[in-house]
Amino acid sequence: QQQVKQSPQSLIVQKGGISIINCAYENTAFDYFPWYQQFPGKGPALLIAIRPDVSEKKEGRFTISFNKSAKQFSLHIMDSQPGDSATYFCAASGESGGGNKLTFGTGTQLKVEL
Amino acid sequence: ETGVTQTPRHLVMGMTNKKSLKCEQHLGHNAMYWYKQSAKKPLELMFVYNFKEQTENNSVPSRFSPECPNSSHLFLHLHTLQPEDSALYLCASSHAGPGYEQYFGPGTRLTVT
Repeated sequence: QQQVKQSPQSLIVQKGGISIINCAYENTAFDYFPWYQQFPGKGPALLIAIRPDVSEKKEGRFTISFNKSAKQFSLHIMDSQPGDSATYFCAASGESGGGNKLTFGTGTQLKVEL
Repeated sequence: ETGVTQTPRHLVMGMTNKKSLKCEQHLGHNAMYWYKQSAKKPLELMFVYNFKEQTENNSVPSRFSPECPNSSHLFLHLHTLQPEDSALYLCASSHAGPGYEQYFGPGTRLTVT
């Protein structure tokens, strides 16, 4: 019930293309869905987050799409750049689903090629 | 220093050693966390401290012993570890409560020989 399933495990995208990473969750008590970005040698850093009262949130080239009925959410990176090459983690938490306890997906290694 | 700092950045220890990892946050947060990051696995939450009190122990073996003397400092004391404990150990902090961004340190790369 606490799992967050993430796919794909790795992704190669050409510069300027769209990168799409998907996550699915089971616990209906989750109500906060952040995406974290991690570069080698660094800790994860918050990229963008969404709550289930909206179906989409956009910040610059990064968009989260959220489907509450399907219990799925995805990260779209538009106009992908080589500097976006990193590992991306989806996560989820909820007041009744563990308070400030985040449940993470397994991560997606993104490589953006020139 | 700003953000979340962790020392040491790298640690090699034998199975019979005792060592400690240190985390310090300069963000005025009152919740701190230890995570374990292994290859091809999700980040595993180990411990949560809210206002210096431990509120979560995610079935972590007793060879890992956390300590939170104040809201800015968090330690992870290690003893008689196993080779499978080799991983990146990440510290994070946030405001207490759900829905707050967690800020991560750079981690300590631990190798148990």
